[in-house]
Amino acid sequence: DSGVTQTPKHLITATGQRVTLRCSPRSGDLSVYWYQQSLDQGLQFLIQYYNGEERAKGNILERFSAQQFPDLHSELNLSSLELGDSALYFCASSVVVSYSCNEQFFGPGTRLTVL
Amino acid sequence: AQKITQTQPGMFVQEKEAVTLDCTYDTSDQSYGLFWYKQPSSGEMIFLIYQGSYDEQNATEGRYSLNFQKARKSANLVISASQLGDSAMYFCAMREWPNTDKLIFGTGTRLQVFP
Repeated sequence: DSGVTQTPKHLITATGQRVTLRCSPRSGDLSVYWYQQSLDQGLQFLIQYYNGEERAKGNILERFSAQQFPDLHSELNLSSLELGDSALYFCASSVVVSYSCNEQFFGPGTRLTVL
Repeated sequence: AQKITQTQPGMFVQEKEAVTLDCTYDTSDQSYGLFWYKQPSSGEMIFLIYQGSYDEQNATEGRYSLNFQKARKSANLVISASQLGDSAMYFCAMREWPNTDKLIFGTGTRLQVFP
C-alpha cells in the first residue's frame, strides 16, 4: 500500500458525461501528479500541483481540469467524455519538488470506461 | 525533448535466472533522474529503483540493480534470481528537471517468469 488513495476504483459512464476522480496523497506529501495510462498513448503526464498551486501541465485536454484543495487532496475533472478517454488514471504524490530521488508514490488508479 | 525508449515489448526468463530489461534515454540536460517501476496485473505502479545523473555508483535495491551507462544514455534494469512474482510490466521513466519533476515513461516491457 503506497499510502495514496484514489476513488472510485472503477467508473463506467457514457459519452458526453462529466466525472470527477479524487485523490488523497500520502500524509505530508505536498506534490500531486495525475497520469493517464491508455493502450494507444501509454503512460502520460497530465498535470501537477504543489501545495495548492498548479506546477506543470502535460498534454492535458481542455476538457480536463484539476485542482488541489487546502487539505492537499486533488480532483481531476473530465467533461464531455469521449470513447478515447477510457483509460486508467493514476494519481501520484511526493514530498516536495526536488531533483533528488524523491520517488513518486502511485495510487491504485481509477479505471474509467466510457461507453 | 526528453524521451525514454524500451525496445523489448516482452521478455521471458526462467525462475532463479537473471534478466536485463533495456532502457535508453534522450536528454540534453545534465541533471536528470531515472526510475524503474513495476506494474503487476493488478494495475498498481510500484517504485523499484532510482539513479541520479550525478550518481557515480550504479544503484542497487535488493535483487534489483541498475546498469547505468551515461555515455551510452542507457539505464538497464537487472533482476537477479527471478521469481514467479516478478512477472509484470516494467516501466523505465525519466524525471524532467528543473521546472517540474514530472515523469516521462517508456512503453514498458512485459516480463514473464516461468518455472
